[in-house]
Amino acid sequence: AQSVSQHNHHVILSEAASLELGCNYSYGGTVNLFWYVQYPGQHLQLLLKYFSGDPLVKGIKGFEAEFIKSKFSFNLRKPSVQWSDTAEYFCAVNAQSNYQLIWGAGTKLIIKP
Amino acid sequence: GAGVSQSPSNKVTEKGKDVELRCDPISGHTALYWYRQSLGQGLEFLIYFQGNSAPDKSGLPSDRFSAERTGGSVSTLTIQRTQQEDSAVYLCASSPTGASQRGETQYFGPGTRLLVL
Repeated sequence: AQSVSQHNHHVILSEAASLELGCNYSYGGTVNLFWYVQYPGQHLQLLLKYFSGDPLVKGIKGFEAEFIKSKFSFNLRKPSVQWSDTAEYFCAVNAQSNYQLIWGAGTKLIIKP
Repeated sequence: GAGVSQSPSNKVTEKGKDVELRCDPISGHTALYWYRQSLGQGLEFLIYFQGNSAPDKSGLPSDRFSAERTGGSVSTLTIQRTQQEDSAVYLCASSPTGASQRGETQYFGPGTRLLVL
């Protein structure tokens, strides 16, 4: 069965630090990959996604993610975080033949001002 | 434009009672999804509606759970004879067509936080 693993459940960083959140999935076929974010008190919203083309994907608010097929990974990065990046981040995957998204458990990111 | 809305935002009920949770998707979106999020876990798929097709109910955890979508728009998730393990946040999402191949974005509502005492 497909699964998604997010390695860090909680991350605490200072402003201006660099960020990398890990996401690994298990599925051998062609996939779509997503990062969603939930800011405090807000809905889940899309941060970025990959379904084809350039494996380096840029999203909103300076975030990017790189799809490395050989490693089954889709890690999220940001070179310099801000206090407003405090949120919970979810990685999700679906096989391109199936609409069902499989979700990681989420990573709670706290940025200290 | 209006996003996905859900009601109620919070629901406290006693074990054994039935509850109904409502979702209004974005106008024109044909695909609608229900998820459950338990504390400290990712989202768990429950059910999927696509246009007039039969829904995919493969994620419903027991026969106490059911859902319907009337007129291709509003959806109601019903939990009968609630149990304490049903306590969770229930999220609804919609997307324009449900086209999985192109990585279609799902748009989420604020969720209903259900607490079963």
